[in-house]
Amino acid sequence: DAGVIQSPRHEVTEMGQEVTLRCKPISGHNSLFWYRQTMMRGLELLIYFNNNVPIDDSGMPEDRFSAKMPNASFSTLKIQPSEPRDSAVYFCASTNARLAVAYEQYFGPGTRLTVT
Amino acid sequence: AQKVTQAQTEISVVEKEDVTLDCVYETRDTTYYLFWYKQPPSGELVFLIRRNSFDEQNEISGRYSWNFQKSTSSFNFTITASQVVDSAVYFCALSEARPTQGGSEKLVFGKGMKLTVNP
Repeated sequence: DAGVIQSPRHEVTEMGQEVTLRCKPISGHNSLFWYRQTMMRGLELLIYFNNNVPIDDSGMPEDRFSAKMPNASFSTLKIQPSEPRDSAVYFCASTNARLAVAYEQYFGPGTRLTVT
Repeated sequence: AQKVTQAQTEISVVEKEDVTLDCVYETRDTTYYLFWYKQPPSGELVFLIRRNSFDEQNEISGRYSWNFQKSTSSFNFTITASQVVDSAVYFCALSEARPTQGGSEKLVFGKGMKLTVNP
């Protein structure tokens, strides 16, 4: 089975540009998570969706960040406008959630974003 | 509030040594799940183990073993006879299991512990 797919794997952009990161979760999974990893802050949860509905976006840094999940097989994380401090590795993860049971999340390979 | 503490930030050992990675957690829930993930130098996050709060049995998988103790809120990970390929950052994580619109609860990760195994 294909794992979580993220694109692009690497993105280099200039400050002020719009950046869109994409994620395809594992087929059949109903929960999707966006994380950001930096040396300074470690692994941070940005937002997560259950059944395509955003549940908790308290980790989204500011209004420049937005995320959507139009259907069960696709999600985007957009940064507009981008800033150098947004440089990080962005991970997408998915899991097959059940009522009152927590299952492991499977992570994509990540997108390394560099904003110059 | 949930919290995961990995007090060790970095450990360096010589190949074939045993090494234990500590994880202490805080939660108010009685039903919760604990996880360990490995992040090798290549960068991907690899799931290692999941344990629920009602199962305190230790688990062994090859050279890996996990010791879950509710009395001390700890979920420690031991690598026996370490190898160079074990070099990675290891994350401990916690998830509560309350139903939320029929979906998942979020994972709370520790800061991670970098293990370097030298030949």
